[in-house]
Amino acid sequence: QVQLQESGPGLVKPSETLSLTCAVSGYSINSADHWGWIRQPPGEGLEWIGDIYQSGSTYYNPSLRSRVTISLDTSKNQFSLKLNSVTAADTAVYYCARRFVVVVTSVSHWYFDLWGRGTLVTVSS
Amino acid sequence: DIQMTQSPSSLSASVGDRVTITCRASQGINSYLAWFQQEPGKAPKSLIYAASSLQSGVPSKFSGSGSGTDFTLTISSLQPEDSATYYCQQYKTYPLTFGGGTKVEIK
Repeated sequence: QVQLQESGPGLVKPSETLSLTCAVSGYSINSADHWGWIRQPPGEGLEWIGDIYQSGSTYYNPSLRSRVTISLDTSKNQFSLKLNSVTAADTAVYYCARRFVVVVTSVSHWYFDLWGRGTLVTVSS
Repeated sequence: DIQMTQSPSSLSASVGDRVTITCRASQGINSYLAWFQQEPGKAPKSLIYAASSLQSGVPSKFSGSGSGTDFTLTISSLQPEDSATYYCQQYKTYPLTFGGGTKVEIK
């Protein structure tokens, strides 16, 4: 059974760096999929943060691009998120997810099929 | 960026009712659309991909339709366990974007 599990500090001080890891079990991160991070501020909707491909290529939300880094660690079968210079506005539940590919009528669809349980990160001094 | 607009933002319906949620994209996204269900305190769960394909393991009471800019998610017979917030998401182009969500409550 494929599982994703986020881990990292639940409390980060303003101006510091938020660091989270997503451990993948039951599935190789080297497979031809994309891996992503999504966040959800308390009581609000979902915001895509960024994706990383198996090749290592990354795509980030323009609103966060200057502060975000997503990386793969194939030796540990996990991928990571770093968000620097955090403020209270970065307080959210952070989810990692797999973008799985399915071919429908000859068209490839890369969609988020599997999510981690999420981890709440609070930015506060 | 492609804006995704869902309506209504919330609804209340009775057990057994047919419920329809709409999602509109600010520009054409072909069928690159997914739907998710999020129960309180839980992670989103995939329901539909490619606008109308049912995720494995999801009950057939859920269905999706549409292409281009207008999409719908239908629950054919609402049950208490369907009480949740539903989100659409486009994955045609970066940045990936979500609708604002539709909260479904049981009367």
